[in-house]
Amino acid sequence: KNEVEQSPQNLTAQEGEFITINCSYSVGISALHWLQQHPGGGIVSLFMLSSGKKKHGRLIATINIQEKHSSLHITASHPRDSAVYICAVRSGNQFYFGTGTSLTVIP
Amino acid sequence: KAGVTQTPRYLIKTRGQQVTLSCSPISGHRSVSWYQQTPGQGLQFLFEYFSETQRNKGNFPGRFSGRQFSNSRSEMNVSTLELGDSALYLCASSLQGATNEQYFGPGTRLTVT
Repeated sequence: KNEVEQSPQNLTAQEGEFITINCSYSVGISALHWLQQHPGGGIVSLFMLSSGKKKHGRLIATINIQEKHSSLHITASHPRDSAVYICAVRSGNQFYFGTGTSLTVIP
Repeated sequence: KAGVTQTPRYLIKTRGQQVTLSCSPISGHRSVSWYQQTPGQGLQFLFEYFSETQRNKGNFPGRFSGRQFSNSRSEMNVSTLELGDSALYLCASSLQGATNEQYFGPGTRLTVT
């Protein structure tokens, strides 16, 4: 049983396209994180959400607590956005991770 | 501010040995969390330390342990290494814990032969 499910697993887009990555979770949470991992392993935290919506540059993250669902949107995608995007939730004393969405943006 | 640093970056050990990994958080951060990442299991939570106390622990055997020092630096130890312990070990620091933004280190890649 996976507490966090992401879709799609893999995504290929043309440069400039609008991209959406979805995350659904089955546990009560105190926070949801969107992480970006580039080849080589380094992880960057993009957003931390407990409600509503956040925007940073071309990235937008939303969360619907009632539906236990979050989305990460990338507007005007660029090849440098190619990475694995991971959804993670804090639930009680535990931290659960999705399996990641591998995004490739083609010039 | 300097970022989160982890040492060593790469490590090769033999089954049965033990290993200690180190994590230095961002200055002023009091929380350090440790994660294991493998191709098969993905990212998994190991434990979280705050002000020298283990606050939370993931579902890992007792061979995995850690500690945090008064300067917030943290170490994790894995005893009696198994092949399945080969992984990327990541630490992340934050001001207060996982309900704050987490800043990840570059990781230590451990290979057990």
